[in-house]
This record gives sequence, C-alpha cells and structure tokens, in this order.
Amino acid sequence: KAGVTQTPRYLIKTRGQQVTLSCSPISGHRSVSWYQQTPGQGLQFLFEYFSETQRNKGNFPGRFSGRQFSNSRSEMNVSTLELGDSALYLCASSPGTALSSGANVLTFGAGSRLTVL
Amino acid sequence: GEDVEQSLFLSVREGDSSVINCTYTDSSSTYLYWYKQEPGAGLQLLTYIFSNMDMKQDQRLTVLLNKKDKHLSLRIADTQTGDSAIYFCAEMMDSSYKLIFGSGTRLLVRP
Repeated sequence: KAGVTQTPRYLIKTRGQQVTLSCSPISGHRSVSWYQQTPGQGLQFLFEYFSETQRNKGNFPGRFSGRQFSNSRSEMNVSTLELGDSALYLCASSPGTALSSGANVLTFGAGSRLTVL
Repeated sequence: GEDVEQSLFLSVREGDSSVINCTYTDSSSTYLYWYKQEPGAGLQLLTYIFSNMDMKQDQRLTVLLNKKDKHLSLRIADTQTGDSAIYFCAEMMDSSYKLIFGSGTRLLVRP
C-alpha cells in the first residue's frame, strides 16, 4: 500500500509570491490534515478535510487555504508569502472515522520544505 | 486549554533504556500518541494509548499514562543507535481530528 505522497519535496519562493502544495493520501483514506513545522513554533495544525469539506481549522491567517478533491487528494495554498512561512509542511491522511479500536490514526507524508527568500 | 510539554533532550548509552516524558493539560483528550521523526523525514507513528488505559506495551516500547497527573511516558528498552531521533507526544480530543503536539524530545544514543 503506497504511503502519503507530498509534492514538491523542496521549493524556494520569494516574498509576495504564492505557493501550492499537493498531498495524495493513502488509498481509501478520506481525511487529509495539514501541519506546519518550524523550529520556533513546532508542529501546528493548519486544517483538516474530510470528503471535500473542511471540518477543522487552526489559528492561521487567511493567506493559508486548502481544498480537497473528490478523489481525496488535497492541496494547500499560501498567498503573499512572508519570510516566516518558511517551514516544513506535513500532510497526514487517515480513514477519517474512528477505527474499531476507537483511535484515529494519522499517517504522515515526508513533507514539503518551503524556503521563502 | 490545549498544551503539551516535553523535555527537550535525552542522551543514553546504547543498550540502556530510554524514558521520554510528556505532560498534557486537556482532560478531554481521548487518545495520546507517540511519533518519531528522523532527520529530513516526516512523522512515523510509534504507538498510541486510549486515555482510560494505564499502560500499553508493544515490543520494545512501553507507554505509561497517569491520568491524575496528566503525565505520559514512553520507555524504549535496549535502545539502539537507530533510535536516535526526535520523539513527539500528541493528544487528540474526541472527534476533533486535530493533533496537538509537544515540542519534541531529541534522543541521542551514544555507542
């Protein structure tokens, strides 16, 4: 079973530009979540999508947006990039509903490392 | 409120046991997780525990949960150099589908 695939793995942008990151979940998973990882703030939740609907959103400005397609693939977009947006962006997929054990287990991709100059 | 805290660094000798500690504040958490991150990689799920359990063992890993003190620990038996990584604990509130992570503990295993 293929894991969570994120593209691109690395990218460099300049301030003011915008960027789109892509995430392909594990086959059969209907939930996709996005997290930002920085040395200063650690791992922070951005948003979660299930069946094309945003179910939960973190405390990020409106420049950060996302969407999910009917095949469960997801994209996130950051507009008007700032230096502070430099980070590792991690995508995670899960079935989206609790397992028989009750747990919601997230499987993470390798991440997209964004550098803003 | 939502807050998860971990110590930043732990150094052990190869073959010894490692114990990584975590405290959390939200009493409504239903599941607590341990993830491992190696350099340049994403997060690898190690194990998880339901908040009404006290202990869970999975091969070399033992998770202990003290609900009264909101304290979670991960014990790695017979620690190997390949265990060197950053370990994150995380909590998830019921039906939120949102993980709250600690700051991570960097484990260094000395040969």
